[in-house]
Amino acid sequence: GEKVEQHESTLSVREGDSAVINCTYTDTASSYFPWYKQEAGKSLHFVIDIRSNVDRKQSQRLIVLLDKKAKRFSLHITATQPEDSAIYFCAAGDYGSSGNKLIFGIGTLLSVKP
Amino acid sequence: DAGVTQTPRHEVAEKGQTIILKCEPVSGHNDLFWYRQTKIQGLELLSYFRSKSLMEDGGAFKDRFKAEMLNSSFSTLKIQPTEPKDSAVYLCASSWDWGREQYFGPGTRLTVL
Repeated sequence: GEKVEQHESTLSVREGDSAVINCTYTDTASSYFPWYKQEAGKSLHFVIDIRSNVDRKQSQRLIVLLDKKAKRFSLHITATQPEDSAIYFCAAGDYGSSGNKLIFGIGTLLSVKP
Repeated sequence: DAGVTQTPRHEVAEKGQTIILKCEPVSGHNDLFWYRQTKIQGLELLSYFRSKSLMEDGGAFKDRFKAEMLNSSFSTLKIQPTEPKDSAVYLCASSWDWGREQYFGPGTRLTVL
């Protein structure tokens, strides 16, 4: 079946540095790529997404890049802050006959050290 | 707007019991999802409803897991009979439409003894 692989299971950076989380997907029909954040003891919440008609999207300190040829997308967090520490999940979805379904990566635990 | 609500927040069951988890999606959302979250498997889709119609019944989870959506503002997930390997956090999420963010509930932590 379709898979989304998240390449870093853990990532540790110093406050102020950039963090990059990489994901690859297998379904060539995927056209929607959201990212979710899960802070300790809490549920997931949406942070940013990108659609297949663009290859870059930025929202404040978050940048998402999409390389459709390589079936790869990444989340860049610039000028990291301690409150960025959390598990980040990438996901991929296609609007096929199954409608609005996402396949999630396993998650990356990001630690931002002061 | 109220977010996604889930009850109970914690559930402890004996092996072989039947348990029912409840979810209220965000008002007006057309899509509702049930996921299971474990450290090893991550987020696994159990069921997906679009406008109350079942679109995805979770493949491998079919035999003991049954989700229902009797009206647009309430869904249940029944696990029958429970097994220790079902111990996990069960998340409900809702979304307005495809390509829109999913709003996740706080989850139900299930422990099966």
